[in-house]
Amino acid sequence: DVKVTQSSRYLVKRTGEKVFLECVQDMDHENMFWYRQDPGLGLRLIYFSYDVKMKEKGDIPEGYSVSREKKERFSLILESASTNQTSMYLCASSFWGLGAFFGQGTRLTVV
Amino acid sequence: AQTVTQSQPEMSVQEAETVTLSCTYDTSENNYYLFWYKQPPSRQMILVIRQEAYKQQNATENRFSVNFQKAAKSFSLKISDSQLGDTAMYFCAFMISNAGGTSYGKLTFGQGTILTVHP
Repeated sequence: DVKVTQSSRYLVKRTGEKVFLECVQDMDHENMFWYRQDPGLGLRLIYFSYDVKMKEKGDIPEGYSVSREKKERFSLILESASTNQTSMYLCASSFWGLGAFFGQGTRLTVV
Repeated sequence: AQTVTQSQPEMSVQEAETVTLSCTYDTSENNYYLFWYKQPPSRQMILVIRQEAYKQQNATENRFSVNFQKAAKSFSLKISDSQLGDTAMYFCAFMISNAGGTSYGKLTFGQGTILTVHP
């Protein structure tokens, strides 16, 4: 079974802090994704990566950056956390056509 | 750009009954995949069923089946013999089929439908 692991299930951070969300997958997938989930909006793509050190913006990249130094690891970075970034964050990996495999989600609260 | 619309924010069904969740999408692509994902209270997203657009036959996985109408761009999910464990948020999702190309397996999601199964 594909396993995608996010480093935290719950995080509480202060406004202005730099926040790192970590994600690791064990299936050697090329593609990895960070989505944000908000009520009534479904999941929206923040950033994705199709190879080590390669990244592309998704639909809502503002206020976020990413890092992929190793194939199995994809990090989401909030450079200066703001209250409007309070949300559920979901990491996923995929091999095209099979759909995405998701981590358990990180619920981030920025106070 | 692709869009996915789920017009039912919430639905409920009695245990053992059948329920259908609706999904429509808009795309100019001809080759794509459609998915239904389930997100129970544990928050773990689980793939329920997958449909390849070039296949006319509707996908089926045990109690879950789809009604795929390509011309109408409709992709509904039918859950038969509903069980309490089916209570979850359900998401419809779309992926361009672009092997070796630039789609990279990106998914476009609908807004989700909360399904509650009552005993």
